[in-house]
Amino acid sequence: DAGVTQSPTHLIKTRGQHVTLRCSPISGHKSVSWYQQVLGQGPQFIFQYYEKEERGRGNFPDRFSARQFPNYSSELNVNALLLGDSALYLCASSLGLERSTDTQYFGPGTRLTVL
Amino acid sequence: GENVEQHPSTLSVQEGDSAVIKCTYSDSASNYFPWYKQELGKGPQLIIDIRSNVGEKKDQRIAVTLNKTAKHFSLHITETQPEDSAVYFCAPLPFSASGSRLTFGEGTQLTVNP
Repeated sequence: DAGVTQSPTHLIKTRGQHVTLRCSPISGHKSVSWYQQVLGQGPQFIFQYYEKEERGRGNFPDRFSARQFPNYSSELNVNALLLGDSALYLCASSLGLERSTDTQYFGPGTRLTVL
Repeated sequence: GENVEQHPSTLSVQEGDSAVIKCTYSDSASNYFPWYKQELGKGPQLIIDIRSNVGEKKDQRIAVTLNKTAKHFSLHITETQPEDSAVYFCAPLPFSASGSRLTFGEGTQLTVNP
């Protein structure tokens, strides 16, 4: 079975531009979460979607938005890019049934560089 | 929110030795405690997890122990091999009505010297 897939693998943008990152979860999983990992740090939670609805949002500005499609794939959008948005963006797939014990499997990530 | 501390930040061992990484968390309502391994340029890989109703879990050379009273859990790797070299993250899952948000520690860089 295929694991979590993300596209693109690498992306270079300039300040002020917007970007769309994509994620396909493991077959049968209905939840997708997004995390940002700055170099040298642990990942930080951005969003969780379950059954196409936003279930949770981390401490990120409104420039960050996401959505989940009927096939459970997801997009993360970032507007008005800043240099500080340069990071590895990770997508995690899970069943989403139990909030307190939800096992999450990560994709390879998208490396975003903002110049 | 959940505060997570992970120690040590770096760990260097000889091949065949054991390695132990400790994670301390603050939210007593946390019920799920995973460990992830991240190799350079890759996403985190789940290597072992434990739920709050269990004190210890083992999978071949890897084990996790949980002390809910003291609010810490530890990763144990025995008979280390060079391919175990990576960054390891603990990521307890605090109870939240707004999403299953893993809270990652700062990571431990494990180096296994041949």
